[in-house]
Amino acid sequence: DAGVIQSPRHEVTEMGQEVTLRCKPISGHNSLFWYRQTMMRGLELLIYFNNNVPIDDSGMPEDRFSAKMPNASFSTLKIQPSEPRDSAVYFCASSFDRVGNEQFFGPGTRLTVL
Amino acid sequence: GNSVTQMEGPVTLSEEAFLTINCTYTATGYPSLFWYVQYPGEGLQLLLKATKADDKGSNKGFEATYRKETTSFHLEKGSVQVSDSAVYFCALSADTGGFKTIFGAGTRLFVKA
Repeated sequence: DAGVIQSPRHEVTEMGQEVTLRCKPISGHNSLFWYRQTMMRGLELLIYFNNNVPIDDSGMPEDRFSAKMPNASFSTLKIQPSEPRDSAVYFCASSFDRVGNEQFFGPGTRLTVL
Repeated sequence: GNSVTQMEGPVTLSEEAFLTINCTYTATGYPSLFWYVQYPGEGLQLLLKATKADDKGSNKGFEATYRKETTSFHLEKGSVQVSDSAVYFCALSADTGGFKTIFGAGTRLFVKA
């Protein structure tokens, strides 16, 4: 398996622009997670899907952020409009819900908002 | 709620030194415990795990034992290498109507040659 795939790997945009990050989870996994990592705040869970349904979005910072999972093999995280404080590395991870199962992380998307 | 506390870094060691990174947790029920490692420029990856009390997880010379009586899962390695320089995250997962993983803040390890 190719692992969790994220695109793009790097994104540089200007304040106010819309940004869309994409994720393809590992085939057969039924949970998907979006995280944000910064030096100041560490690793933060933004949203968690199970069987394509959002279960916990309490970590989504504000209405500018939205996430969708239209099917089991694809998810997007959208920021509109983007702001410089959104600059971070965004990770997608997937897992199969079972006791003891670990999460598999993608390589991340490094977002820079100028 | 569930939580994980791990020692703050950075930790700086010389090659072949002994490593301990402390981790304690708070959880209801019987969580599974994990150590993840993040190398520069990469996502987190599983290093080792333990799913019940007294289990020992091990991988690449690293070990950690699930201690329910002290609610701890300390990471140890007898002889570190420069290539072990990374950030280490302690984590727990429990069935709370889903298997959301709670991560510690991470401990950065620097190993000098």
